[in-house]
Amino acid sequence: AQTVTQSQPEMSVQEAETVTLSCTYDTSESDYYLFWYKQPPSRQMILVIRQEAYKQQNATENRFSVNFQKAAKSFSLKISDSQLGDAAMYFCALFGNEKLTFGTGTRLTIIP
Amino acid sequence: GAVVSQHPSWVICKSGTSVKIECRSLDFQATTMFWYRQFPKQSLMLMATSNEGSKATYEQGVEKDKFLINHASLTLSTLTVTSAHPEDSSFYICSARTGTGSQPQHFGDGTRLSIL
Repeated sequence: AQTVTQSQPEMSVQEAETVTLSCTYDTSESDYYLFWYKQPPSRQMILVIRQEAYKQQNATENRFSVNFQKAAKSFSLKISDSQLGDAAMYFCALFGNEKLTFGTGTRLTIIP
Repeated sequence: GAVVSQHPSWVICKSGTSVKIECRSLDFQATTMFWYRQFPKQSLMLMATSNEGSKATYEQGVEKDKFLINHASLTLSTLTVTSAHPEDSSFYICSARTGTGSQPQHFGDGTRLSIL
């Protein structure tokens, strides 16, 4: 079985500041992929960033970047220059064995 | 690109009614579609995986006779909640993917199902 753990139920950050959301996972698969999804109040799941486990280089997408530590099974998301539109639930997810498993989510609040 | 449309967005019906939810990939061919259920303030739980033209694969604990899934074409999958009861009230989300697991899933907007 694969598991994804997000230990921060809620986080807040001042607008324009940087925030890091934590995620750890466990899997017996050697081939897997990691994702961060964002779910705003509209409840649509929006892909933020993805990382192939076989790649050592950390993925980046504009203001979003990850710190992928494969040995530690850690996959944190860093949001730089936080904006009001970043406020949402953020889910870390692992795809392995043909299944996408989500963490319990972190609610991010942006303070103006 | 990669737009997934889910319909209806909200449905309220009486206990005992069957409800059908549609999931369409609008601008790509979805070889695989997934159905999730999300309870308030909780994460998404995978219910089933369906490949076009094949029977859906259900997760443990999900009643296949209760939640009927059809994936008849590369752009459409349907979830029918049969004889719905209040405990089936939830937020149901579909996702679609083309190709293999390395490709991200694209999600629909979800359907809020309320059974009276």
